[in-house]
Amino acid sequence: TQLLEQSPQFLSIQEGENLTVYCNSSSVFSSLQWYRQEPGEGPVLLVTVVTGGEVKKLKRLTFQFGDARKDSSLHITAAQPGDTGLYLCAGFNQAGTALIFGKGTTLSVSS
Amino acid sequence: EAQVTQNPRYLITVTGKKLTVTCSQNMNHEYMSWYRQDPGLGLRQIYYSMNVEVTDKGDVPEGYKVSRKEKRNFPLILESPSPNQTSLYFCASSPMGVTTEAFFGQGTRLTVV
Repeated sequence: TQLLEQSPQFLSIQEGENLTVYCNSSSVFSSLQWYRQEPGEGPVLLVTVVTGGEVKKLKRLTFQFGDARKDSSLHITAAQPGDTGLYLCAGFNQAGTALIFGKGTTLSVSS
Repeated sequence: EAQVTQNPRYLITVTGKKLTVTCSQNMNHEYMSWYRQDPGLGLRQIYYSMNVEVTDKGDVPEGYKVSRKEKRNFPLILESPSPNQTSLYFCASSPMGVTTEAFFGQGTRLTVV
């Protein structure tokens, strides 16, 4: 069974701090996705990483895919209250029939 | 506007009373799926459909049914709801299978008493 382990589970920081969220697996994934979910809403895709070692930037967010395609990280620089939410990593199962999700990292940024 | 619409957003029901949660997408996506989200367990897939009249079980299908008679609609049916089906449910759709972005509905919070 393919599993995605996210850490930390909860993160509470002050505005302006930097943070990193990790997504790890013992399985190889063809790609990994990061979603963000706000209270009362469904998850929304932030980025898809496909190539081992790939780095993608989305404003203050930097996403990295591990060389072996078993892990990924999300780094936020100078966090803002608007970054508050649940961050989910996801990858496709081997059959290609489902997105497998990590349990998520709940981020709270206070001003 | 491209969207996935779920109804109702909130529902409180009693054990054993059949209910249907509707899901509709306006993006002409082939693939649709249902997830439930529970604290500490994350998002788990219930059922999915690769196209019209093609459905299959996900990881937690017990107690649920689905149908895909039209491309745009994928209702989730609970024939005899039980309290352990109290959860937050999401419908999602994507083009050409799972290898692309999944678009999620706003969720349905179901409470079974």
